[in-house]
Amino acid sequence: DIQMTQSPSSLSASVGDRVTITCRASQTISYYLNWYQQKPGKAPKLLIYAASSLQSGVPSRFSGSGSGTDFTLTISSLQPEDFATYYCQQSYSTPPFTFGPGTKVDVK
Amino acid sequence: QVLLVESGGGAVQPGGSLRLSCAASGFTFSSYGMHWVRQAPGKGLEWVAFIRNDGGQIHYVDSVKGRFTISRDESKNTLYVQMNNLRPEDTAVYYCAKDRTYGDFGRLFDVWGQGTMVTVSS
Repeated sequence: DIQMTQSPSSLSASVGDRVTITCRASQTISYYLNWYQQKPGKAPKLLIYAASSLQSGVPSRFSGSGSGTDFTLTISSLQPEDFATYYCQQSYSTPPFTFGPGTKVDVK
Repeated sequence: QVLLVESGGGAVQPGGSLRLSCAASGFTFSSYGMHWVRQAPGKGLEWVAFIRNDGGQIHYVDSVKGRFTISRDESKNTLYVQMNNLRPEDTAVYYCAKDRTYGDFGRLFDVWGQGTMVTVSS
């Protein structure tokens, strides 16, 4: 099975900061990488699919990049509603549809 | 409005059974695969099971194989998971999620329900 790792596991940031989260796959997954945002007590929400495609309705301050094994989620200017946990998920080699362990973004 | 609503969660003793339901609305249920994804308290997301739109392809995470059965009823626009021989490690919020495909291998979860809590404890 493909293993997914994320770094950092948590970070503290301020409104307006540029935030970057990294996701790494244990083997190449081409561009089959998706990103989700989850707020406490809520269901996850799809942000980015196919490594860099923005899901409809998601603000353009979110962007994704990467291919192969290394991927990045960037929030260009952190907003108050962006404090949450972010998960990457691969679908290249399935099952299982593997998630990363998550990155929690909290207030500095 | 696309909506998924889970039900059926609760507390059960180890070795017990539960059936979760996920009522779908706002989209053509028979056209989409569906997933169950769970999240143990304070932990990350774990994909549990997938069923293709026609029911012809089903997959499970290894830890639930032989114990969980995913199914769907097109006449009721409802997804199910029958969970037998439950273990304490199955304690989690269970989400149903709608499948969407892209490219040759791309699969994502584009709509999620609100989740239903399953607690397995003696």
